[in-house]
Amino acid sequence: RKEVEQDPGPFNVPEGATVAFNCTYSNSASQSFFWYRQDCRKEPKLLMSVYSSGNEDGRFTAQLNRASQYISLLIRDSKLSDSATYLCVVRKAAGNKLTFGGGTRVLVKP
Amino acid sequence: ETGVTQTPRHLVMGMTNKKSLKCEQHLGHNAMYWYKQSAKKPLELMFVYSLEERVENNSVPSRFSPECPNSSHLFLHLHTLQPEDSALYLCASSQDYGQGTDTQYFGPGTRLTVL
Repeated sequence: RKEVEQDPGPFNVPEGATVAFNCTYSNSASQSFFWYRQDCRKEPKLLMSVYSSGNEDGRFTAQLNRASQYISLLIRDSKLSDSATYLCVVRKAAGNKLTFGGGTRVLVKP
Repeated sequence: ETGVTQTPRHLVMGMTNKKSLKCEQHLGHNAMYWYKQSAKKPLELMFVYSLEERVENNSVPSRFSPECPNSSHLFLHLHTLQPEDSALYLCASSQDYGQGTDTQYFGPGTRLTVL
């Protein structure tokens, strides 16, 4: 089983719609969780950290479910510029080693 | 931009060549990383340097040789590569390594093709 698993998509989303997708992780010792965004042929960039209580940043909402070992990302009022691959990233307590999922591709269409 | 630069941005090399990838961070960070991103595969951590000392080496073949002369610069020396080594090589940096709380900032990557 992969340490971090994501549905590769693509999720085809009409502009203005809401899209949500999950990421599961296998190591219960994982401590920190993040969503990164990667545009085509570009480097990954941190979108948001994911906190236990859930957190929101504008149109983006991230949730963590430790019992079921998954995190989720919800994008409201999708914009064309939201089209990208969203990478789920997990870190264990020691050091700063990140484990990346394979990414979920989102395509927002007019 | 993120303050992490990489050169060259694109590299094509034969299997017998020797080349080096360069990464420079302008953020005053103490930790630097090399990642490999192959087509349709997740990013894989290759090496980690903290305060110019290697702290992680994730079973990377010896044909990849990292060098960290100071906290701002990181190199990846390549020799006798295989076609399956073709990938995007990403450098990242973070304020520290041991804290476990630091955001990693990525450079734009070097797209390597091995013929």
